[in-house]
Amino acid sequence: QSVLTQPPSASGTPGQRVTISCSGSSSNIGTKTVNWYQQLPGTAPKLLIYSDNQRPLGVPDRFSASKSGTSASLAISGLQSDDEADYYCAAWDGSLNGVVFGGGTKLTV
Amino acid sequence: QITVKESGPTLVKPTQTLTLTCTFSGFSFNTTGVGVAWIRQPPGKALEWLAVIYWDDDKRYSASLKSRLTITKDTSKDQVVLTMTNMDPVDTATYYCAYRLYSVADYWGQGTLVTVSS
Repeated sequence: QSVLTQPPSASGTPGQRVTISCSGSSSNIGTKTVNWYQQLPGTAPKLLIYSDNQRPLGVPDRFSASKSGTSASLAISGLQSDDEADYYCAAWDGSLNGVVFGGGTKLTV
Repeated sequence: QITVKESGPTLVKPTQTLTLTCTFSGFSFNTTGVGVAWIRQPPGKALEWLAVIYWDDDKRYSASLKSRLTITKDTSKDQVVLTMTNMDPVDTATYYCAYRLYSVADYWGQGTLVTVSS
């Protein structure tokens, strides 16, 4: 049971916009910044979003994220077949004094 | 260019101690805020954060695994070492090290699969 809650799966067709949610609590998402990671099949995770809504250099602006209260969400617009991957949210947890991850969402395109 | 790479045994026996090494390049621990984290992923399962060591030698551990983990750094070798005691088959996973500055893990290594079996 992960501390951050994500839907196990999501799906969309090419060109669509999909969102993935991440629910936490006041000790993590509510007071700390959220990160999002993309893990393509058979590869290591890659940083997609940091500081709630910032994209590292090289990450397309089709990927965006937001946060409200103790929940966060990742949005992918203009869905492409290459976006088929597992997506994870993560945040520092002040009560646990460590990082917590969501259980991951498998995106099918 | 920042790179990190994990190394260590691919197979350990139950009750043994696992020692993993993360060798990095492209950064140093002289930069404020820099850290190296370890994260693992059992086959077909979610990511689990294990530990982080920061530029000032501050260390943080997973609450559930704290008693079994030790993280250290050797700045002369550009390496970070994670030891995990009393290994069990449930610890079978791909272990990743990652450089962190802006997030919990900015750049990840390719990972190393560790199997715990007698």
